Amino acid sequence: EDQVTQSPEALRLQEGESSSLNCSYTVSGLRGLFWYRQDPGKGPEFLFTLYSAGEEKEKERLKATLTKKESFLHITAPKPEDSATYLCAAGEGYSSASKIIFGSGTRLSIRP
Amino acid sequence: DVKVTQSSRYLVKRTGEKVFLECVQDMDHENMFWYRQDPGLGLRLIYFSYDVKMKEKGDIPEGYSVSREKKERFSLILESASTNQTSMYLCATLGQGDEKLFFGSGTQLSVL
Repeated sequence: EDQVTQSPEALRLQEGESSSLNCSYTVSGLRGLFWYRQDPGKGPEFLFTLYSAGEEKEKERLKATLTKKESFLHITAPKPEDSATYLCAAGEGYSSASKIIFGSGTRLSIRP
Repeated sequence: DVKVTQSSRYLVKRTGEKVFLECVQDMDHENMFWYRQDPGLGLRLIYFSYDVKMKEKGDIPEGYSVSREKKERFSLILESASTNQTSMYLCATLGQGDEKLFFGSGTQLSVL
């Protein structure tokens, strides 16, 4: 069965303390691996798409990487404003976004 | 930037009521989606539409229906609301050939 699993469920860090969020996936025919950020009371906001193993993308303090079975979201020297839920999603097959499978997210909290 | 507007931020309904959740987008996107988000379960696809008057079932369509009479508007209908439909409902859009989902802010529905 296709699925996306994120760990940990929740992560509390001190400001400046770097860490990584994990997303493991089992889908047949990965079309793309997506990361979204969701703030409380809001809808998810797109961060990155990764298409092939070895690919990396960066945005400010965030860097996403992809292997054949996992993706990592590395957070370097985080600030309190990075606190949010981070969602990982895998696109399956070659058709539309109907085949996007979401993980349940990692709630990240950064203490000042 | 794409704007996806959901008509209500919070909604409280009684068991058995008919409930309409409205979503409007301003970017002429062909594809529109309804998800529900529950703690620990991630986002689950209820229905999607790839064109006016076209609809397809997602992973959990039972108890729901949809309507898309105009390109910019996609409605989710709960024919007879039940307590297990208490959830956060998120509308999203996707442009043709794009991979980036744009989400509304969500409707937190409570069925009592």
